Amino acid sequence: AQSVTQPDIHITVSEGASLELRCNYSYGATPYLFWYVQSPGQGLQLLLKYFSGDTLVQGIKGFEAEFKRSQSSFNLRKPSVHWSDAAEYFCAVRSNDYKLSFGAGTTVTVRA
Amino acid sequence: GAVVSQHPSWVICKSGTSVKIECRSLDFQATTMFWYRQFPKQSLMLMATSNEGSKATYEQGVEKDKFLINHASLTLSTLTVTSAHPEDSSFYICSASSEREGDTQYFGPGTRLTVL
Repeated sequence: AQSVTQPDIHITVSEGASLELRCNYSYGATPYLFWYVQSPGQGLQLLLKYFSGDTLVQGIKGFEAEFKRSQSSFNLRKPSVHWSDAAEYFCAVRSNDYKLSFGAGTTVTVRA
Repeated sequence: GAVVSQHPSWVICKSGTSVKIECRSLDFQATTMFWYRQFPKQSLMLMATSNEGSKATYEQGVEKDKFLINHASLTLSTLTVTSAHPEDSSFYICSASSEREGDTQYFGPGTRLTVL
């Protein structure tokens, strides 16, 4: 069965600094991977996704993620965070039956 | 594009009553809709998958008689929490997907249910 691990429960970063959120997946076949962001009391917004092709994926809001098969990772990065990036971030892998398995999430706090 | 709405955004009800939550895909036809439950500070737990015109498929441990799901059209799915109890209080989120959208799930804004 597929699974996702987000090792960092909480990350605090200064505004303007770079951000990297880790995601490791377990899946037998070629994974379909996603990053979603959730603001408090809101639903999830899709940041980016990887299906195949270029392993460096660009998303919305200046985010990018790199798929590394050898490390079973799909880490999310942003070069310079804004206060509005404070939120909960979820990594997910999709199975053949189109169900998503989510990681536990990483809470990002941005300090001024 | 790929906008999903939910209604209501929050609801408070008395124990023993039933509550219906609607999930709509506003600008695409969703062949599949998913219902999730999220507890505070936790990840999303898939409750069930529904395809238009078919019975929903429930995840293990989810009571299908308590959480009734109807997917009557390609743009609407409903979740009815029957005989709600305080332990059913939670944040319920739906998502919708279609082949046109690459089977990517797009999520609604969620519904906060509080059962008194």
